[in-house]
Amino acid sequence: DAKTTQPNSMESNEEEPVHLPCNHSTISGTDYIHWYRQLPSQGPEYVIHGLTSNVNNRMASLAIAEDRKSSTLILHRATLRDAAVYYCILNSHGGNNRKLIWGLGTSLAVNP
Amino acid sequence: DSGVTQTPKHLITATGQRVTLRCSPRSGDLSVYWYQQSLDQGLQFLIQYYNGEERAKGNILERFSAQQFPDLHSELNLSSLELGDSALYFCASSVDWSRGTEAFFGQGTRLTVV
Repeated sequence: DAKTTQPNSMESNEEEPVHLPCNHSTISGTDYIHWYRQLPSQGPEYVIHGLTSNVNNRMASLAIAEDRKSSTLILHRATLRDAAVYYCILNSHGGNNRKLIWGLGTSLAVNP
Repeated sequence: DSGVTQTPKHLITATGQRVTLRCSPRSGDLSVYWYQQSLDQGLQFLIQYYNGEERAKGNILERFSAQQFPDLHSELNLSSLELGDSALYFCASSVDWSRGTEAFFGQGTRLTVV
């Protein structure tokens, strides 16, 4: 199974942009890149996903490298509510199945 | 609110016992996934169902089993419980497993085995 690698933790200041990196060097052509975040004692929350092109939504932007071996989640203006564990995940297709393959995530701290 | 409902929210039981966790997916979602999250750990994929059929198995113990019913709700059965089974158990659903669409998670069931 293709895996992802993320820094254990990152820190940001409120109202500043945050760039959360993810490496997925063994990604295959049919794997989607997903980002989720999880607040303490809550279920993971979908943030954004993409396949090849950069993606924007109301929560964040996803920049995908041309070779697709890495991606970056961009929070344009961090707020205190963005403090969470961010997971970069591959929605991986294998055989007749798709499944989400999770790493350990990046714990983002946001300073006021 | 993700639209995925898990019950119960909390469960405390003794070692050796059996419990059933329930998940109602979002309306229209055919895929259901079960995950286990131990303290300060990432999510471990257990099993996936699509429209009533098992599609993928992850690190699910033989003491654990699951099923998805015709109304698409799913149950995860945990038996012969051990202290190490204490964890958060999450259910997620998605509309179409084949197209890499996003999954929506419930709030989880916190299982404590004493």
